Amino acid sequence: AQSVTQLGSHVSVSEGALVLLRCNYSSSVPPYLFWYVQYPNQGLQLLLKYTSAATLVKGINGFEAEFKKSETSFHLTKPSAHMSDAAEYFCAVSVPSNSGYALNFGKGTSLLVTP
Amino acid sequence: DAMVIQNPRYQVTQFGKPVTLSCSQTLNHNVMYWYQQKSSQAPKLLFHYYDKDFNNEADTPDNFQSRRPNTSFCFLDIRSPGLGDAAMYLCATSRGRRQETQYFGPGTRLLVL
Repeated sequence: AQSVTQLGSHVSVSEGALVLLRCNYSSSVPPYLFWYVQYPNQGLQLLLKYTSAATLVKGINGFEAEFKKSETSFHLTKPSAHMSDAAEYFCAVSVPSNSGYALNFGKGTSLLVTP
Repeated sequence: DAMVIQNPRYQVTQFGKPVTLSCSQTLNHNVMYWYQQKSSQAPKLLFHYYDKDFNNEADTPDNFQSRRPNTSFCFLDIRSPGLGDAAMYLCATSRGRRQETQYFGPGTRLLVL
């Protein structure tokens, strides 16, 4: 079964520092992978999506992720953290469901940005 | 702006009292999904509609039902809410049911007293 594992339930960085949120996937077929961000009491907003077109995917708000098949990873990065980046981040893989596809989410990583 | 709207944002109900949550979309997408997200957990798919075709996940409790009267609207009905049903309920849409991007609404937080 296709799944994702997010390493680190909490990550803390200083403002201006590199953000690295880790996601590893398990899939026997080429996966479709997503990163979503969730601000407190809000829905999920798509940051970026991997669909096998390019291994380096650029998203919104300066985020990007690189698909590495050899490492089965899809880590999310941002060169310089802003205070407004503090949120919950979910990695997800698209999996076959009952006559369609569903998103199978990781457990999430809470990003804290300190001044 | 095209979007996914959920009403209400916060809902309080009593133990065992039926409750309905609402979702509407202006994206004209064919697929609408309902997810349950409990505190500090990942969202979990309950069911989805592809057009009028209802698709239930195998482990979704019978207590949860859904209706989609037209393309724009989808409802989540909880027939007899229990304390364990307190959660954030997220509605999402996608254009098709292939591996497409899902667009989420802001969610409805349900409190069961």
